[in-house]
Amino acid sequence: DAGVIQSPRHEVTEMGQEVTLRCKPISGHNSLFWYRQTMMRGLELLIYFNNNVPIDDSGMPEDRFSAKMPNASFSTLKIQPSEPRDSAVYFCASSSDSDQPQHFGDGTRLSIL
Amino acid sequence: LAKTTQPISMDSYEGQEVNITCSHNNIATNDYITWYQQFPSQGPRFIIQGYKTKVKNEVASLFIPADRKSSTLSLPRVSLSDTAVYYCLVGNGNTGFQKLVFGTGTRLLVSP
Repeated sequence: DAGVIQSPRHEVTEMGQEVTLRCKPISGHNSLFWYRQTMMRGLELLIYFNNNVPIDDSGMPEDRFSAKMPNASFSTLKIQPSEPRDSAVYFCASSSDSDQPQHFGDGTRLSIL
Repeated sequence: LAKTTQPISMDSYEGQEVNITCSHNNIATNDYITWYQQFPSQGPRFIIQGYKTKVKNEVASLFIPADRKSSTLSLPRVSLSDTAVYYCLVGNGNTGFQKLVFGTGTRLLVSP
């Protein structure tokens, strides 16, 4: 079975540009999570969707970050405008229900120059 | 959210049993204990989850004492491929949503 699929795997762009990260959760999973991982702050939860509805976005750092889930098989995390401090690995995870173990994708390594 | 404390790093040799202990003194009644493993350039991977006593699967065992203020992940006969970072997390089951708070984890190095 396919796991969580993220794209792109790597992204390098200049500050000020718009960045869009994509995630396809495991089929049948109704919960989706976006995380960010850095050396300084470790792995942080940014936002959590349940049945395509954002439930907890308290981890979203600021208004430059936005996430959408238009359907059960697709989600995006957008940064506009991007800044060098946004450089990190962004992970998407999904679970069969909100209280079940999460399955992570392999992440998008984002570098903002 | 209950905070967890675990050793920053551990060293072992191939074939040995490794036990990683995690402290979670303020664990709530409905909280579950979950362990994840992360290899470089990969996302965390679920290993095992438990609520009390002992849980075992094909990969590891999880020991939880009666007071649930700590837990121990046991990896039998580790191999070089078990070198990874291991995270202990406590989920808030009250909300029906496991908002996972990842700490610094334990970096396990397995040597030949």
